[in-house]
Amino acid sequence: DAGVTQSPTHLIKTRGQHVTLRCSPISGHKSVSWYQQVLGQGPQFIFQYYEKEERGRGNFPDRFSARQFPNYSSELNVNALLLGDSALYLCASSPAGGKEETQYFGPGTRLLVL
Amino acid sequence: GEDVEQSLFLSVREGDSSVINCTYTDSSSTYLYWYKQEPGAGLQLLTYIFSNMDMKQDQRLTVLLNKKDKHLSLRIADTQTGDSAIYFCAGGKTSYDKVIFGPGTSLSVIP
Repeated sequence: DAGVTQSPTHLIKTRGQHVTLRCSPISGHKSVSWYQQVLGQGPQFIFQYYEKEERGRGNFPDRFSARQFPNYSSELNVNALLLGDSALYLCASSPAGGKEETQYFGPGTRLLVL
Repeated sequence: GEDVEQSLFLSVREGDSSVINCTYTDSSSTYLYWYKQEPGAGLQLLTYIFSNMDMKQDQRLTVLLNKKDKHLSLRIADTQTGDSAIYFCAGGKTSYDKVIFGPGTSLSVIP
């Protein structure tokens, strides 16, 4: 079975630009969450989506937005990029309910803002 | 509030046991996780424990939970050089809820 996939794997942008990151959950998983991991720190929760609706939002500015599509894949958008947005962006999927016990993380997209 | 604390560094000799400790503040955390992250890689779930359990063993890994003190530990038996990585303690209220991560403990295994 394919795990959580994310694209692109690496990305370089300049300040002020916009970026879109993509995530495909494990087949059958309906919940997708996004995390930001700045170098040297633990991941920080950004968003959770379930059945195309936002179910949770972390302490991030409005420049960050996301959506989930009917096939449960998801996009994370960041506008007006700042140097501090440079990080590893992780996507996690979960069945959301039932007997499954955890979220499964993808390999991440490494974003560098110059 | 929600907070997870860990010591930042641990160094052990190959073959010894490693014990990584963690404390958390949110008593409503039902799922408590240990993740491993190798340099340049994503997160690998090592093991997890439910808050109504005291201990869980999985091959070389033993997780101990003291719910009263909100203390979680991960013991790695017979530590190998391949165990060198950053280990994150984390907690969540449900299997799909947001996960609160600690800062990570960098484990160095000396040959």
